[in-house]
Amino acid sequence: QKEVEQNSGPLSVPEGAIASLNCTYSDRGSQSFFWYRQYSGKSPELIMFIYSNGDKEDGRFTAQLNKASQYVSLLIRDSQPSDSATYLCAVIASNSGYSTLTFGKGTMLLVSP
Amino acid sequence: DGGITQSPKYLFRKEGQNVTLSCEQNLNHDAMYWYRQDPGQGLRLIYYSQIVNDFQKGDIAEGYSVSREKKESFPLTVTSAQKNPTAFYLCASSMGTGSDVVDGYTFGSGTRLTVV
Repeated sequence: QKEVEQNSGPLSVPEGAIASLNCTYSDRGSQSFFWYRQYSGKSPELIMFIYSNGDKEDGRFTAQLNKASQYVSLLIRDSQPSDSATYLCAVIASNSGYSTLTFGKGTMLLVSP
Repeated sequence: DGGITQSPKYLFRKEGQNVTLSCEQNLNHDAMYWYRQDPGQGLRLIYYSQIVNDFQKGDIAEGYSVSREKKESFPLTVTSAQKNPTAFYLCASSMGTGSDVVDGYTFGSGTRLTVV
């Protein structure tokens, strides 16, 4: 059973701080890693994807991947109240044409003004 | 604009009734997916289809059925065999399949199904 684990939170940070969201995965053969943001009652929207070990930056967002530790994280710099949402980590496991996205349960982020 | 359209946005089902959720995409994506989301839970895969006239069961397929007669359309039927159907249903699509998916899945706006 392929698993993706996230702390459910809520993670509370003040406006302007750095929010750090973490995710671990069980399948060592996992190839592709995604972070989605989901506002309450809405559908998920893609924020970042990462395939290689190291950091990938896009604006205020940085995704970090460590395949040896089976760990992926998302950093949000200068957090804004509009960043308050649930963040879903998702993984495509193994090098197979039948692999699909497996999601964690999500971490709720609350950014206070 | 390209995207995925799910309808209806809200659906109420009586006990013992089958209902069908619509999902249409104009992104020219090959693969389509149905996920279910319960409160406090992540997304769980129900069914997926990589090409027309072919589909595979996901992790929680029991009580559901799908068809893929056209590339653009992937309707989901929630049958009376599904004992706890109240949930948020999300349809998604992707250009590639499996590990060839380079930019994740695109999601529709969802259908919220409630049993009355």
